[in-house]
Amino acid sequence: KAGVTQTPRYLIKTRGQQVTLSCSPISGHRSVSWYQQTPGQGLQFLFEYFSETQRNKGNFPGRFSGRQFSNSRSEMNVSTLELGDSALYLCASSASTGGAGELFFGEGSRLTVL
Amino acid sequence: AQRVTQPEKLLSVFKGAPVELKCNYSYSGSPELFWYVQYSRQRLQLLLRHISRESIKGFTADLNKGETSFHLKKPFAQEEDSAMYYCALKGAGSYQLTFGKGTKLSVIP
Repeated sequence: KAGVTQTPRYLIKTRGQQVTLSCSPISGHRSVSWYQQTPGQGLQFLFEYFSETQRNKGNFPGRFSGRQFSNSRSEMNVSTLELGDSALYLCASSASTGGAGELFFGEGSRLTVL
Repeated sequence: AQRVTQPEKLLSVFKGAPVELKCNYSYSGSPELFWYVQYSRQRLQLLLRHISRESIKGFTADLNKGETSFHLKKPFAQEEDSAMYYCALKGAGSYQLTFGKGTKLSVIP
């Protein structure tokens, strides 16, 4: 079974731009979560989707948004990028309808904002 | 609010010595607790969960509700145990994990 796939793996943007990150979950997994990882704050929850519905959102500004498609693939978007958005963005999928617990993580998309 | 605290950023032990990675949590209800591990150049992956009460790669962790702790233990450290370890909590009815900031375990040969 293929693991969680995230694209792009690395990207560089400038302040004010927007970015879209993509995540393909493990086949059969309907829950997809996103986490932001930074050296200072560690892993912080962004949002979780199940069957195209956002069930939970973390404490992030409205510039951070996401969606899930009918094939369970997910995208997250960050608009009006700020320097502080530089981070590793991790996507995780779960077979559990509870949406968390055993999460299978991707390798991440490393975003650098200049 | 829920919180997970891992007091040690870095823990160095000699090969063959016992290991204990500390995790304390703050949560008003009955949580589910997990340990995730990230080996060098690998993805973050689940090591064990308290409801399974199993030993994985020689590691065990017991949920102590009185002390609100979920420490990870191994009697004899191996070099391949060197990795970043994260403790995580899932609240009842929640769809997210709250992670601690991680402890880097270094096993000295």
